Amino acid sequence: EAQVTQNPRYLITVTGKKLTVTCSQNMNHEYMSWYRQDPGLGLRQIYYSMNVEVTDKGDVPEGYKVSRKEKRNFPLILESPSPNQTSLYFCASSKDAGNMNTEAFFGQGTRLTVV
Amino acid sequence: DAKTTQPPSMDCAEGRAANLPCNHSTISGNEYVYWYRQIHSQGPQYIIHGLKNNETNEMASLIITEDRKSSTLILPHATLRDTAVYYCIVRVASALIFGKGTTLSVSS
Repeated sequence: EAQVTQNPRYLITVTGKKLTVTCSQNMNHEYMSWYRQDPGLGLRQIYYSMNVEVTDKGDVPEGYKVSRKEKRNFPLILESPSPNQTSLYFCASSKDAGNMNTEAFFGQGTRLTVV
Repeated sequence: DAKTTQPPSMDCAEGRAANLPCNHSTISGNEYVYWYRQIHSQGPQYIIHGLKNNETNEMASLIITEDRKSSTLILPHATLRDTAVYYCIVRVASALIFGKGTTLSVSS
């Protein structure tokens, strides 16, 4: 089954403790991205990757890092989480970077709480 | 980026057609119209997309006006499970720019 898998689904952590949210897709997609969703602000893109070893900032990249060492994986790293990073996070992938005629698939989300 | 305007909420009776409008008056010729929905806090789910022609799949139909300045998503026989936030997106780059969407409430 074609899918985007995020882990963990739920995470409560303390300020400053480094964490990684994993994202994996099994569709051999080139393009992967991370979004965060906050009440009243909707979904906003954090980082994206056009292909292996190619990453770039989205609209709200501060406080986040990503890497794309393999095509299927695109982890989101919070080096020093802060309470304002409490949010619902979604990973997404689509087949071709730059191809507007292809849909994106989303993971089920990771609800992160930083206390 | 072209922006979209959607009503904040709509109601629909179960079994009836749900027609969700979207205005995108500044759309450019090469920009696609995409529809996604989000049920509760699950990941957004792709529904349908189109460029100029009307499109239909197993989930819905997409009607795009001839001038491409607006479109309508049609769920032909809405069920309670179609209650969700529906996002109309004009896609100009790889990123999807989500607005506030329309909250569709289907009731029995």
